[in-house]
Amino acid sequence: IAGITQAPTSQILAAGRRMTLRCTQDMRHNAMYWYRQDLGLGLRLIHYSNTAGTTGKGEVPDGYSVSRANTDDFPLTLASAVPSQTSVYFCASQDSNTGELFFGEGSRLTVL
Amino acid sequence: QQQVKQSPQSLIVQKGGISIINCAYENTAFDYFPWYQQFPGKGPALLIAIRPDVSEKKEGRFTISFNKSAKQFSLHIMDSQPGDSATYFCAARIIQGAQKLVFGQGTRLTINP
Repeated sequence: IAGITQAPTSQILAAGRRMTLRCTQDMRHNAMYWYRQDLGLGLRLIHYSNTAGTTGKGEVPDGYSVSRANTDDFPLTLASAVPSQTSVYFCASQDSNTGELFFGEGSRLTVL
Repeated sequence: QQQVKQSPQSLIVQKGGISIINCAYENTAFDYFPWYQQFPGKGPALLIAIRPDVSEKKEGRFTISFNKSAKQFSLHIMDSQPGDSATYFCAARIIQGAQKLVFGQGTRLTINP
């Protein structure tokens, strides 16, 4: 059982470049989320999607966009990366019966 | 603005001791309070969770204590083991059009052998 698969595992990116972080789930969960993790700040919600075709903004959405064309995929795009977007990014899906979030193993992004 | 405040940021406990991590919140609309455990290089995973209609929940060595009037909840790890060394996040769920989890800042726990 794969659960949540994220790619790439890590990436170094020049400022101003466009980057898409990929996220795929095989649990058929409706709700999916993108968080960023920074030391001392915990996990902060960037964007979420309740179901395919819908998306919403979280706590820190600026500079990021998402799409949800189908149930399984929820990519996160940085249109023009900046150094403050250096972080570890986690994708998650939610079991609607229990409320439990299932996380991927993260994508470590460094913007120079 | 941090909706869920967690302390301490780091904690060192001797093997066999009790580890205690605290969280506080302001929003009374929160209806579900989970704790997540994260090992290095991995994503967080659900450890234990509580709803505000109970004051305590225990699963093995892990206990959540919940004080609704004080808007505080804590994680207690009894007989702490080196394998418990990880980062712990408290969280709270709000349902406003969508279910969203708001996380605390995290606590890096180290259990010394």
